[in-house]
Amino acid sequence: GAVVSQHPSRVICKSGTSVKIECRSLDFQATTMFWYRQFPKQSLMLMATSNEGSKATYEQGVEKDKFLINHASLTLSTLTVTSAHPEDSSFYICSASHRAQGLNIQYFGAGTRLSVL
Amino acid sequence: AQRVTQPEKLLSVFKGAPVELKCNYSYSGSPELFWYVQYSRQRLQLLLRHISRESIKGFTADLNKGETSFHLKKPFAQEEDSAMYYCALSGGTAGNKLTFGGGTRVLVKP
Repeated sequence: GAVVSQHPSRVICKSGTSVKIECRSLDFQATTMFWYRQFPKQSLMLMATSNEGSKATYEQGVEKDKFLINHASLTLSTLTVTSAHPEDSSFYICSASHRAQGLNIQYFGAGTRLSVL
Repeated sequence: AQRVTQPEKLLSVFKGAPVELKCNYSYSGSPELFWYVQYSRQRLQLLLRHISRESIKGFTADLNKGETSFHLKKPFAQEEDSAMYYCALSGGTAGNKLTFGGGTRVLVKP
């Protein structure tokens, strides 16, 4: 099946630093990737849609200057949390869209737990 | 706006008992409905999708457009079914974006 790799799985950083999270589709090309945020005991909230070769589309309320998304190739999207603060601590999950049997299916990474001190 | 509602946060059943996870949606168009499952310490993975009309791991789900529901059912729950289940919707102007329900935690007791 389609595999999505997300790195790192866990990161602890100081307040004010920037953190980059990578999302790779290992065995397929993904023109579209998605970034989600998940708070404890809550569902996934879509942050943005990452399109290869173009600007990301952000959901309402998500600061695009805070969460920089780059989708430079068909297999890699990155999310950079700039000037991270404790309130940015969360679980971030990416997914990549893969077309199979006439349907676009999203395959998910294992997630990145960000802790900002 | 599209929305997915899973009214039960927790379902606790005994092994061998039937289990039904409710999912209702609101969407103006023809949606694609999915059930995703997340086992402990594992990533979210697709369980089944309405268009395939398939049974995976004994689970089935039928799209009822009249009731705007996509409930997930299994006649005989197993301990390994204990997990977090998310109903999700995609389609129309939102393209391939998925809107997730709040999730239902299923606990199957021995």
